[in-house]
Parts: sequence; C-alpha cells; structure tokens
Amino acid sequence: DQQVKQNSPSLSVQEGRISILNCDYTNSMFDYFLWYKKYPAEGPTFLISISSIKDKNEDGRFTVFLNKSAKHLSLHIVPSQPGDSAVYFCAARPYSGAGSYQLTFGKGTKLSVIP
Amino acid sequence: DVKVTQSSRYLVKRTGEKVFLECVQDMDHENMFWYRQDPGLGLRLIYFSYDVKMKEKGDIPEGYSVSREKKERFSLILESASTNQTSMYLCASSFGTDYGYTFGSGTRLTVV
Repeated sequence: DQQVKQNSPSLSVQEGRISILNCDYTNSMFDYFLWYKKYPAEGPTFLISISSIKDKNEDGRFTVFLNKSAKHLSLHIVPSQPGDSAVYFCAARPYSGAGSYQLTFGKGTKLSVIP
Repeated sequence: DVKVTQSSRYLVKRTGEKVFLECVQDMDHENMFWYRQDPGLGLRLIYFSYDVKMKEKGDIPEGYSVSREKKERFSLILESASTNQTSMYLCASSFGTDYGYTFGSGTRLTVV
C-alpha cells in the first residue's frame, strides 16, 4: 500500500511559468514532509520541508503548501527555470514514535522546464 | 561540507558474483539507509541501520544483506548478483529524527 503518492509521473512547463507538483499521503501519523530534487546520475538533494504545524513554507522560488485535512501537499516553483528540470520526490515521516527516523518516499515526478 | 560517499559511481558485475557496495558518512549520523531507484518505482528501501551492528529490513531485502561494523560505514552486499538487481543504488544517512536524509551520489550497478 503506497502511503505517499505522486500521481503525475511527469510534468512539462514553459520557462518563467509556475510549476506545481502534487503529493498525497494516507498515513495520518505523518507529521513532517520534505521535497527532494534529483538529477540523473546524482543522489537526491534536500529542497524544502514543512511540519504539520504550518500550512506554508517558502524558500526563494520554492513554496510548499500543506493541507492536512485533505492529506495533500504541493510544491510551487515560481518562476520555473530550465535548471529545475529534474525528478522531484515527496517524502514524509511521523513526528515521533516507531519509524520516526524513516522517510517514506513517493515515486517521483519528472519535471521538464522548456526554454 | 558534510558528505555521504559511495565508493563507486559505476559498476559492472557478472551474474552470480558477490558484490559489495560501500557507503561512508562523515557526519556522525546514527541512521543509515540503502535504497534502489528504478524508473516508475521511485525509491525503495532495502535495508537500514539505526546503530552500529544493528540492521532492519526495508521493503525489498530479498537478495541483499548489510553490514555496519563502524558508525560511519554501511555496506550493502548482493550475495549472488542477478540481472534484476541492475539499478541505481543510493545510500543515505540522518541524525536522529531531525530533518531528512543526506544522500550519496549513487552507484549505477549493471549486472550482465
């Protein structure tokens, strides 16, 4: 059973426009959420995170929104740049208790930003 | 700069060989993880360790084993490599429950 779902395997966006990547989760114990970015032949790198006490976190061009009631989060990239082309993974973990050090990842969304 | 180092970027091995993938972190992290990444399947957890000499099975441990004799080193072992183990292998580490993982650059393993 997939606890973190990224339903869009791929997304294409024009340079300068907004990219919106979506993620849904089913485990109500998840309390901390992260986005990772991965280029081919490299390891994933941490991008941005949000805890459940917030509904928005912003870092430069990247903003993550969390809707706890809908168990949904999204990553907004504005404006999108060709260098943003990568695979983006959503990840989640419980705040405490068993497994709180273990992240559960979605399958990823491949973003292509077209110049 | 903190680092997770995987010993090889690319490896080609023959079916039936015993394969060792090494991972070293310099951050004094307690937790270490091995994932494989395959197209359409995302990141799948093979094994993890939350302390020296401790190990736990992840979602897909079959055909793999691990060793953690020292805190900084976590080794993944393919006992008898098979072609369906051709994949990108990613090592990661983390400190307690803070934040997330730091990943290595990955090892692209091809089994022929």
